[in-house]
Amino acid sequence: DAKTTQPPSMDCAEGRAANLPCNHSTISGNEYVYWYRQIHSQGPQYIIHGLKNNETNEMASLIITEDRKSSTLILPHATLRDTAVYYCIVPNNAGNMLTFGGGTRLMVKP
Amino acid sequence: ETGVTQTPRHLVMGMTNKKSLKCEQHLGHNAMYWYKQSAKKPLELMFVYNFKEQTENNSVPSRFSPECPNSSHLFLHLHTLQPEDSALYLCASSQEGGLFNSPLHFGNGTRLTVT
Repeated sequence: DAKTTQPPSMDCAEGRAANLPCNHSTISGNEYVYWYRQIHSQGPQYIIHGLKNNETNEMASLIITEDRKSSTLILPHATLRDTAVYYCIVPNNAGNMLTFGGGTRLMVKP
Repeated sequence: ETGVTQTPRHLVMGMTNKKSLKCEQHLGHNAMYWYKQSAKKPLELMFVYNFKEQTENNSVPSRFSPECPNSSHLFLHLHTLQPEDSALYLCASSQEGGLFNSPLHFGNGTRLTVT
């Protein structure tokens, strides 16, 4: 099962882009990369996922390197409400997300 | 409104009590999950049900007993818990279990305190 590595914390100025990195160097060919976030006292919220092409939706963009060993989640114009813990996860070979790891605590500051 | 509703939001129980957590999803999904999030460990998968059949038990002690009567409802029955079982218990659903291209949708959890 592919493991992911994320920085424990990051700061971002309000209105600027937040770029959250994730390393998943042991990912295999058919494994997707998922991103979730968790705001205090709430359940995790699905953001985006991808296999090898870059993806964009109304919440964020996901950039996956060509070798698929790392990815970056981009919040184009961060707001104070984007302050949360962001998790990068690769499901196991049964398609289940066993653990969410420590994630990156993003603090958006005015 | 997350589409996944958990009750109660908070629960305090003694070690000899029996209680149940309830989860209901309104998304038409076929897979449901229980996760545990404690202060000392990251969010961890406990159980998976796919089309009402249990497909994953992640080495969970028998004092936790899941039940999935249909694809929309999931229960977690609790008995003789320990204080270290105090945690946030999260329910999630997805279109189908075992698919790599199937995001999870979470409820807001039940905060359990065992005294």
